[in-house]
Amino acid sequence: SQQGEEDPQALSIQEGENATMNCSYKTSINNLQWYRQNSGRGLVHLILIRSNEREKHSGRLRVTLDTSKKSSSLLITASRAADTASYFCATQPTGTASKLTFGTGTRLQVTL
Amino acid sequence: DTEVTQTPKHLVMGMTNKKSLKCEQHMGHRAMYWYKQKAKKPPELMFVYSYEKLSINESVPSRFSPECPNSSLLNLHLHALQPEDSALYLCASSPQPATNEKLFFGSGTQLSVL
Repeated sequence: SQQGEEDPQALSIQEGENATMNCSYKTSINNLQWYRQNSGRGLVHLILIRSNEREKHSGRLRVTLDTSKKSSSLLITASRAADTASYFCATQPTGTASKLTFGTGTRLQVTL
Repeated sequence: DTEVTQTPKHLVMGMTNKKSLKCEQHMGHRAMYWYKQKAKKPPELMFVYSYEKLSINESVPSRFSPECPNSSLLNLHLHALQPEDSALYLCASSPQPATNEKLFFGSGTQLSVL
């Protein structure tokens, strides 16, 4: 069963614009992670934010976490055509070691 | 070596066939995972091995049989599959089973069951 839902399901922007994706989840978590998947390929880990953190940056990525609202957002700044992919949040619910559950995903299309 | 290698990349099998998917990592990771992903859906956890022992089975039908011969290898044996089992099968590994903080994924095996 999936733990998270992402919004929007699909997002189309032009190169240079920022892209924001949101993730909502249902139970308390140890951490929340974001992954990227190019079409038909494996997933690549982007960034992890722990339950006691509120914001984290990595290059052009900015992740926020609001545990009171059980939600997270991923911001990609100055997007590039190469950022075109599906993005998934993944959560590890508290007390479920080794069980990482993925959200529904956002398909991002960046056009030139 | 920071790769998880899956073979084959593509597999077509009939419902009476027996086949195996293979996964290999040489990063010294002690947790390995099988996920199933249908088109335009998120990956769904099937099995988790921690220190070469099966620790999680997400109520997967017995026609899927996992095996972890050693800390670097993970197999998924397939027998009498159904057409609805057609999907991308992803293997992943992570350094420590308990923390589960970063999964490394292979490129997957695209399975078609006829």
